[in-house]
Amino acid sequence: EAGVVQSPRYKIIEKKQPVAFWCNPISGHNTLYWYRQNLGQGPELLIRYENEEAVDDSQLPKDRFSAERLKGVDSTLKIQPAELGDSAVYLCASSLDSRTQYFGPGTRLTVL
Amino acid sequence: GDSVTQMEGPVTLSEEAFLTINCTYTATGYPSLFWYVQYPGEGLQLLLKATKADDKGSNKGFEATYRKETTSFHLEKGSVQVSDSEVYYCALSDPQGGSEKLVFGKGMKLTVNP
Repeated sequence: EAGVVQSPRYKIIEKKQPVAFWCNPISGHNTLYWYRQNLGQGPELLIRYENEEAVDDSQLPKDRFSAERLKGVDSTLKIQPAELGDSAVYLCASSLDSRTQYFGPGTRLTVL
Repeated sequence: GDSVTQMEGPVTLSEEAFLTINCTYTATGYPSLFWYVQYPGEGLQLLLKATKADDKGSNKGFEATYRKETTSFHLEKGSVQVSDSEVYYCALSDPQGGSEKLVFGKGMKLTVNP
């Protein structure tokens, strides 16, 4: 069974530029999560989807971050414009029973 | 809100030494508890989990027991190997607390020397 797929794996951009990350969850998993992991810290939730509905986006900085999960399968997380403080690893996870989450390899974003 | 406090590293051990990584939690409900390991350049991989009091999760020689009375979920391994040199995260999921997100500790980097 394929795991959670994310792309790109690495991204370097200049501040004020837009950037987008893509995630394809494990087949059949209805819950999808986006986390941000700052250097030396544990991941923190940005947004959680149940199918195509965003059910927890309280930690998503909505002035510059947006996300979508069309058709309840893959998802895109966007930042526009990026700031220096957005440099982090962005992790996608999915689950079937909402208790065990399986993570993708992440996208390491560097904002210069 | 919910939180996880885990022993911070980095920690360096010799091969075949005994490992304990302490983890305590605060939760409003009755959480599930997890240990994840992060390999370089990879996402987090589930190591073990426990969903109710006194449950013991185990995998690859690692064990952790859900202790409700002490709100702890310490990770142990009797004899570490060089290949165990990774970063370990304790986490909880507390749907009764209002969200099914994972709340993580800060992680602990373990290095095992031959």
